[in-house]
Amino acid sequence: GESVGLHLPTLSVQEGDNSIINCAYSNSASDYFIWYKQESGKGPQFIIDIRSNMDKRQGQRVTVLLNKTVKHLSLQIAATQPGDSAVYFCAEIISGGYNKLIFGAGTRLAVHP
Amino acid sequence: GAGVSQSPRYKVAKRGQDVALRCDPISGHVSLFWYQQALGQGPEFLTYFQNEAQLDKSGLPSDRFFAERPEGSVSTLKIQRTQQEDSAVYLCASSRTREPSDNEQFFGPGTRLTVL
Repeated sequence: GESVGLHLPTLSVQEGDNSIINCAYSNSASDYFIWYKQESGKGPQFIIDIRSNMDKRQGQRVTVLLNKTVKHLSLQIAATQPGDSAVYFCAEIISGGYNKLIFGAGTRLAVHP
Repeated sequence: GAGVSQSPRYKVAKRGQDVALRCDPISGHVSLFWYQQALGQGPEFLTYFQNEAQLDKSGLPSDRFFAERPEGSVSTLKIQRTQQEDSAVYLCASSRTREPSDNEQFFGPGTRLTVL
């Protein structure tokens, strides 16, 4: 399939290390923040979400941190595996509406053995 | 199948041709979204359906773009008189409800449109 992230910033990590992917957002009126993973030739896949009234949420091997003061969102992946190699997008849902996603810029994660 | 499917996966059109892109969402999902993804960019919202009703078409770039979901299931995105700037991957996604808390959208693999 075609490459999604030809011109995206790249984070290179060694297999087994922890990865931290960052995202800045601009809208203060968002209800939810979500991370999606997109592999080459595929559509985005939901990873984890966090509501705007929380600052941390953990999933399986992933943690999302939300800092509303500086409008910053991060995704931490523990013990990164080759299968984690993909482009990661943050997205937000504006409050008062329906579940329309507004995607931010992506980051390519490259995991090296 | 359990997921969202889209067809065709690849489409090459000559400038000025009309194209139709199909999306089969997950059965029973109320919400259906179309996104446009340019190379190296995140998906950008085009339009939204709640069942058969098109409630938001604010992202459609021009009146050459038209979408429908007549029976509240399958959706078609039509682009008339295609231009080179329409070249992109068109993604369809569905979700069970329209609630902001239901933010897990299930995406299809996309249709890559190339306009020559």
